[in-house]
Amino acid sequence: GAVVSQHPSWVICKSGTSVKIECRSLDFQATTMFWYRQFPKQSLMLMATSNEGSKATYEQGVEKDKFLINHASLTLSTLTVTSAHPEDSSFYICSARDQKEIYNSPLHFGNGTRLTVT
Amino acid sequence: DAKTTQPPSMDCAEGRAANLPCNHSTISGNEYVYWYRQIHSQGPQYIIHGLKNNETNEMASLIITEDRKSSTLILPHATLRDTAVYYCIVRDRSNFGNEKLTFGTGTRLTIIP
Repeated sequence: GAVVSQHPSWVICKSGTSVKIECRSLDFQATTMFWYRQFPKQSLMLMATSNEGSKATYEQGVEKDKFLINHASLTLSTLTVTSAHPEDSSFYICSARDQKEIYNSPLHFGNGTRLTVT
Repeated sequence: DAKTTQPPSMDCAEGRAANLPCNHSTISGNEYVYWYRQIHSQGPQYIIHGLKNNETNEMASLIITEDRKSSTLILPHATLRDTAVYYCIVRDRSNFGNEKLTFGTGTRLTIIP
């Protein structure tokens, strides 16, 4: 089945530094990927939609200059948390759908990246 | 987007069938019902989806009422590994193929030995 891989699975960084998270579709291509964030005991909240070859679309309240998204190829999207602060500590999850089967295929999710900012 | 309503939590004995309800009374004719689950500290896992007919796969069965206002996910023989948060989601098709999924609070299912 379709696999979405995220790296790293966890990261600890100091306040003020930047962290890059990678999301790869391993056996399919995706023109669109989605980035979610999940705080403890809460549901997933969509942050942004990553579009291959164009700018990402951010949800209301998500700072595009803080959460930089790059979707340079059909199998890779990256999320960079810039100038991280402790309140950015969260579980970040990406998802993608096989572009060959967009009409009826499910979104596949990565296993998430747990970010802790100290 | 059609909203969904699920009970916040449920328990089920190991080996028994787990029946998870979902209300989506404002669903429109072209919207699918999707079910995902999230085991602790992992990404969501796709389970099943349907439009109006009942569906079954190796993981579960999905029963959708005739008026499509509610559905039930059935795990036929629950195991301890089925303990997870289960999300019922109606698929937003405003941009078919690239539409996003909106997660609610889901049902926390606990399988009891």
